Amino acid sequence: SQKIEQNSEALNIQEGKTATLTCNYTNYSPAYLQWYRQDPGRGPVFLLLIRENEKEKRKERLKVTFDTTLKQSLFHITASQPADSATYLCALNNAGNMLTFGGGTRLMVKP
Amino acid sequence: GAVVSQHPSRVICKSGTSVKIECRSLDFQATTMFWYRQFPKQSLMLMATSNEGSKATYEQGVEKDKFLINHASLTLSTLTVTSAHPEDSSFYICSASGGGAKDMGTDTQYFGPGTRLTVL
Repeated sequence: SQKIEQNSEALNIQEGKTATLTCNYTNYSPAYLQWYRQDPGRGPVFLLLIRENEKEKRKERLKVTFDTTLKQSLFHITASQPADSATYLCALNNAGNMLTFGGGTRLMVKP
Repeated sequence: GAVVSQHPSRVICKSGTSVKIECRSLDFQATTMFWYRQFPKQSLMLMATSNEGSKATYEQGVEKDKFLINHASLTLSTLTVTSAHPEDSSFYICSASGGGAKDMGTDTQYFGPGTRLTVL
């Protein structure tokens, strides 16, 4: 069966460090993969999209990698700040623009 | 750009009543809108996909007669929870696509802020 797995345990890091979140999937062949940020009681906010033929994508302090052999995406936040504390969701597209979401990982950045 | 609004943000209703939630794309035309439900500490679960002017496509296990979706224009979709019961209490989130973000070459979904429904 198809699965998207994100670490359900919260990730606690110190301000200034790099946060790395993992998204693994099985039985999918996504055309692309997206990362979203969700704050409590709010809708997800789009961060980055990476296509199947791209290895890495960057946006300011954010970096996403996509390894279709390992079926894994890594999401990095460099120079993390307390304001980065949120839940981060990965989502896969198959055909078209339908998304399937992972369970999300909660990031806590301590000052 | 790509702002999506939802109304109301929070609603409390009695069991048996119907509740309508509106989703609007404010600065782009949304050819497709999606409705999700999210239970506490769980991920988003897609309920249905609607294309403007067409009937919605519902995911397996979602009752179309209970969750009525209308997408009458390119900027507005509504979800009506009919005869709501306490188990329908959840966080309902819509998203819209159709803008075709330039840097991606494909549609991405832009999410509304969500509606917290509590059925007493």
